[in-house]
Amino acid sequence: EPEVTQTPSHQVTQMGQEVILRCVPISNHLYFYWYRQILGQKVEFLVSFYNNEISEKSEIFDDQFSVERPDGSNFTLKIRSTKLEDSAMYFCASSEGYYQQFFGPGTRLTVL
Amino acid sequence: AQKVTQAQTEISVVEKEDVTLDCVYETRDTTYYLFWYKQPPSGELVFLIRRNSFDEQNEISGRYSWNFQKSTSSFNFTITASQVVDSAVYFCALSEVDYEGAQKLVFGQGTRLTINP
Repeated sequence: EPEVTQTPSHQVTQMGQEVILRCVPISNHLYFYWYRQILGQKVEFLVSFYNNEISEKSEIFDDQFSVERPDGSNFTLKIRSTKLEDSAMYFCASSEGYYQQFFGPGTRLTVL
Repeated sequence: AQKVTQAQTEISVVEKEDVTLDCVYETRDTTYYLFWYKQPPSGELVFLIRRNSFDEQNEISGRYSWNFQKSTSSFNFTITASQVVDSAVYFCALSEVDYEGAQKLVFGQGTRLTINP
């Protein structure tokens, strides 16, 4: 069964460093998403991406964040200058549209 | 703005008991979708069910059942004869759909369910 994959599973970085979180969505899906979950809290929407551009972004998704689909298979989330409060689990998801979003296993980001 | 409320932060029951997780939502959209996801201790999000706003039929899948009531804006989830493996955090979610078809999921705070042997 096709699945969304994410790498790395755990990323540790120093405050102020740039990180890139990688995702490989399901191949025939058209919509891509990033969500964030701070430890013990709810899952929060960050951004949706369709047709090679951002469809919607939340207030959390400020200028420090960017997304890219550099080739036909990868979907990346970049945080330019990480802060302590960026420590969270980041989930990538993809969907065909008005259907279920398939989530990846998540990348745990720890900012020291 | 859309909102999902899961008032039960934590529930603890003994194995084989039935348990109901509550979910209340707010939306101005006439077309929307509701979801339940399970997050086991390993951390991944496991899809359980999706309902659209036009389908109020209750659904049963094995020991799981869902009660969707538009009149009270609720989408409750019941586990019958609970098992230890059901222990997890359960999230209810509501989706907004934008004009391009992208769905933004709005999650509730989650309910931590512990099933004791």
